[in-house]
Amino acid sequence: GAVVSQHPSWVICKSGTSVKIECRSLDFQATTMFWYRQFPKQSLMLMATSNEGSKATYEQGVEKDKFLINHASLTLSTLTVTSAHPEDSSFYICSASGEGATGRYEQYFGPGTRLTVT
Amino acid sequence: RKEVEQDPGPFNVPEGATVAFNCTYSNSASQSFFWYRQDCRKEPKLLMSVYSSGNEDGRFTAQLNRASQYISLLIRDSKLSDSATYLCVVEGGSYIPTFGRGTSLIVHP
Repeated sequence: GAVVSQHPSWVICKSGTSVKIECRSLDFQATTMFWYRQFPKQSLMLMATSNEGSKATYEQGVEKDKFLINHASLTLSTLTVTSAHPEDSSFYICSASGEGATGRYEQYFGPGTRLTVT
Repeated sequence: RKEVEQDPGPFNVPEGATVAFNCTYSNSASQSFFWYRQDCRKEPKLLMSVYSSGNEDGRFTAQLNRASQYISLLIRDSKLSDSATYLCVVEGGSYIPTFGRGTSLIVHP
């Protein structure tokens, strides 16, 4: 299957700083990328959906000015957590979707980024 | 009512046991259904898609009941390595997936 990478895999930052997380589809052209957040013992919560070259669509309750998403190419999307606070500490996972080699719609997850804000 | 509901468990079973998970969804227009497996602090990995006719992959069997709006996952002959959280995922026509909160499975010797 396709490979999706995320960088960094783990980051600790001080409150008030901004953190950028990259999501890359390595052998797959992702027409759509999803960003999720997962708190301990909870399900993945969709934060936003981004299509290449257009603005992201944010889920209700997700502040678009705080979680900046850029999807500049079919292989790269970035999520920037601006002015991070301890309550933003979470596991952030991206997924890339598009037509795979089989011609069917497929979705692949990145390994996730664990953010800890102190 | 949540869009996708699962019993969080944990299901604590001995090796060799058969265990079944159910998942209910609220959107009758949902079109695609999946089971994912997530290990602790890892990303979800696709376990299997769920087709209307039901499907089997080795020890795993998935079934869909559209009338009652639920899907199920049956694991036979449980292994220690099956211990994980199993996530039910439902997609609508726009391909945006909705995740259940997951069911935790612990297989013990």
